[in-house]
Amino acid sequence: GAVVSQHPSRVICKSGTSVKIECRSLDFQATTMFWYRQFPKQSLMLMATSNEGSKATYEQGVEKDKFLINHASLTLSTLTVTSAHPEDSSFYICSAGTPSGGIGTDTQYFGPGTRLTVL
Amino acid sequence: KQEVTQIPAALSVPEGENLVLNCSFTDSAIYNLQWFRQDPGKGLTSLLLIQSSQREQTSGRLNASLDKSSGRSTLYIAASQPGDSATYLCAVPPSGGGNKLTFGTGTQLKVEL
Repeated sequence: GAVVSQHPSRVICKSGTSVKIECRSLDFQATTMFWYRQFPKQSLMLMATSNEGSKATYEQGVEKDKFLINHASLTLSTLTVTSAHPEDSSFYICSAGTPSGGIGTDTQYFGPGTRLTVL
Repeated sequence: KQEVTQIPAALSVPEGENLVLNCSFTDSAIYNLQWFRQDPGKGLTSLLLIQSSQREQTSGRLNASLDKSSGRSTLYIAASQPGDSATYLCAVPPSGGGNKLTFGTGTQLKVEL
């Protein structure tokens, strides 16, 4: 099956620093990648959708200057949390989509997640 | 705006018991519904995807049903095992089509020996 990786799996940083998280589709080309965040004991909340070579589309309430997304190729998307603060501490999960051939939706494959802790 | 709710939020059962997890969605015009499993601190594993034209899907001890008209789906787990302990999430795409998933609130399952 399709595999999506994330790096790093866990990161601890000081307040005010920037952190970059990579999401890679290992054995397929992803037309679209999605970034989610998940707080403890809560569900996934979509942050943004990125398509290769174009600007990401952010969900309402997500600061695009705070969470920079770059989708440079069909196998790599990065999320940079700029000037991180303790409230940005969360579990960040990416998914990569590929056309399923069906109507309406791609098939999404999820990465293992990145645990960010901002001190 | 689509809202997805899962009941119960948490469930603890003894090993071997059959159980049902519930998922409700407010906008019934969906193309499909998907059930995922999430282990603590891990990403998501897709379990079953039911197309809107289907009523149920089965994979091993798992059976998922879909009733679009009532906005409900259930995940049935037969003969539960401790290894089934995880959080189970349902998710639906937007009614107009597209790829953004709206996730349910999740059910945290614990199967005890």
